[in-house]
Amino acid sequence: QSALTQPASVSGSPGQSITISCTGSSSDVGRYKLVSWYQQFPGKAPKLMIGEVNERPSGVSNRFSGSKSGNTASLTISGLQAEDEGNYYCCSYAPSGGLVFGGGTKLTVL
Amino acid sequence: EVQLVESGGGLVQPGGSLRLSCAVSGFSVSSFYMTWVRQAPGKGLEWVSVVYVNGSAYYADSVKGRFTISRDNSKNTLYLQMNSLRAEDTAVFYCARVVRNWPLDYWGQGTLVTVSS
Repeated sequence: QSALTQPASVSGSPGQSITISCTGSSSDVGRYKLVSWYQQFPGKAPKLMIGEVNERPSGVSNRFSGSKSGNTASLTISGLQAEDEGNYYCCSYAPSGGLVFGGGTKLTVL
Repeated sequence: EVQLVESGGGLVQPGGSLRLSCAVSGFSVSSFYMTWVRQAPGKGLEWVSVVYVNGSAYYADSVKGRFTISRDNSKNTLYLQMNSLRAEDTAVFYCARVVRNWPLDYWGQGTLVTVSS
């Protein structure tokens, strides 16, 4: 199972919106509505931000949203804030019975 | 309150074995899919293994045949038995709870495994 493809880095200024893409295949991202997104800060455990493509867990800011089109899922962060700076990972269910992660995207808030 | 606490990491020589534990409180490990995810130093997340409620287990190709996931319902603990360890297995290992439709909603703090001579 190959890792999902994410841009290595994205950046934006406070108040702007950014989108992180996550490209898989017709066997994972394209086949299932089972994509999740995680935020991770250095030295910390990942935190679930979006599940099932666009479902936001309780307590997660509504500035975070998800979508999917074909084999590509996307995470959009609107009204960018300095505290959003960190690493973001997408994840999809895979037909092998488990999961596959993206390589991760480092978000820099300028 | 939900808590997952990993332990058992440490320094091991190539070819050696280690068993990781993930002690859970706040829910029953028998009622959820449970999974292990690892992160090599400076690298991204890599899925390792999952155990379903019915006991079925699945593994990443990179660990298949060497790692075994299990759980002890009486101790409410998840395990990962790791054999034939290689340098490339060096990573922080996280346990996590899988909820409906596969998001990982609770994670432990991680335990570091270092494979080196």
